[in-house]
Amino acid sequence: EPEVTQTPSHQVTQMGQEVILRCVPISNHLYFYWYRQILGQKVEFLVSFYNNEISEKSEIFDDQFSVERPDGSNFTLKIRSTKLEDSAMYFCASTLLEGGNTIYFGEGSWLTVV
Amino acid sequence: RKEVEQDPGPFNVPEGATVAFNCTYSNSASQSFFWYRQDCRKEPKLLMSVYSSGNEDGRFTAQLNRASQYISLLIRDSKLSDSATYLCVVNHETYGGSQGNLIFGKGTKLSVKP
Repeated sequence: EPEVTQTPSHQVTQMGQEVILRCVPISNHLYFYWYRQILGQKVEFLVSFYNNEISEKSEIFDDQFSVERPDGSNFTLKIRSTKLEDSAMYFCASTLLEGGNTIYFGEGSWLTVV
Repeated sequence: RKEVEQDPGPFNVPEGATVAFNCTYSNSASQSFFWYRQDCRKEPKLLMSVYSSGNEDGRFTAQLNRASQYISLLIRDSKLSDSATYLCVVNHETYGGSQGNLIFGKGTKLSVKP
């Protein structure tokens, strides 16, 4: 079964440092997403991306966050200056079509900010 | 008011038991409804979509009541491998049109014991 892959699986970074989380969505998918889950909390939507631009973002996705699809396969989430409260599991997801179709999640990147 | 509310559990049940999960959602514009399962520190995985007429997949039965904004999941003959957190998930077409913005409940933890 095709899968969404994410790297790194775990990253520890110092507060104030920039972090880039990488994702390779399923190859024929068109819609890409980032979600995050703080330990013990619910999964929260960050941003959706389609046709090389952000289609929607949540209140969490402030100016410290950015996304990019630098080539035909990768989809990245950058956190410019990490804060302690950015520590969370970050899930990338993709889907072929909008509207109730199965969204496939990657295994996640666990970010720890110290 | 929380968008998607679930009983946090945990539910501790013996093998073979029938377990029911309940969920309420606040946004009457919600269009699609799902149950996901999440194993500890893993990504959410789609268990089943929930349709207005109710639907069944083996030991799993999902029901939707739009009038009450209520979703349920029933697991019959529970197995040890059913132990996980069960996430109630909805999405709704936003003003921006993206339908991949999934709203997750916090989940109900299930532990099936031998």
